[in-house]
Amino acid sequence: DSGVTQTPKHLITATGQRVTLRCSPRSGDLSVYWYQQSLDQGLQFLIQYYNGEERAKGNILERFSAQQFPDLHSELNLSSLELGDSALYFCASSPSLITGGYGYTFGSGTRLTVV
Amino acid sequence: QKEVEQDPGPLSVPEGAIVSLNCTYSNSAFQYFMWYRQYSRKGPELLMYTYSSGNKEDGRFTAQVDKSSKYISLFIRDSQPSDSATYLCAMSLNSGGYQKVTFGTGTKLQVIP
Repeated sequence: DSGVTQTPKHLITATGQRVTLRCSPRSGDLSVYWYQQSLDQGLQFLIQYYNGEERAKGNILERFSAQQFPDLHSELNLSSLELGDSALYFCASSPSLITGGYGYTFGSGTRLTVV
Repeated sequence: QKEVEQDPGPLSVPEGAIVSLNCTYSNSAFQYFMWYRQYSRKGPELLMYTYSSGNKEDGRFTAQVDKSSKYISLFIRDSQPSDSATYLCAMSLNSGGYQKVTFGTGTKLQVIP
């Protein structure tokens, strides 16, 4: 157990629907990151929050949004889902903004299937 | 061209073999070079990192960085079936007060008993 908890583990939903993925960071970590992993694109950075504030955005679609709450858990909202959104979504956390080589701690991911 | 290139494999080796995994990159500003291991249905976990050029050893694993060639490697000695996983390289730089991390697409390794 990495200490980063993601729910749900699996999600199957229809095109056009909206889903919410949840992440609880490792105890003491203030920074939360969301990544999308697909077979052909690898790990793609979506967005980062630090202590409740958005700090960096990657290749996140306008249909996607996220937030980090005062208790530091984070939610990733995906709306108007398309077949191409099917992927593994990972949450990661770190103690601070700059981690050097210590990297991130990843959760086990949410597997989203859009049918 | 991607900032980080990694051969997806799959790479299949017999138990006990020496494994060499590699990545190339284009951005000379990268400062930290990391290797993650990802087992099936799990999230990536950090194996080791190096800062700047040089070698770093941790048990059966050796990470090597050649900044002049923009090339990094991970060597696994005496490979075990438990090493079967996908290995992702990652590189980071500090940008505007935050750290930007770029991952390779991963190389799938299978160690056959």
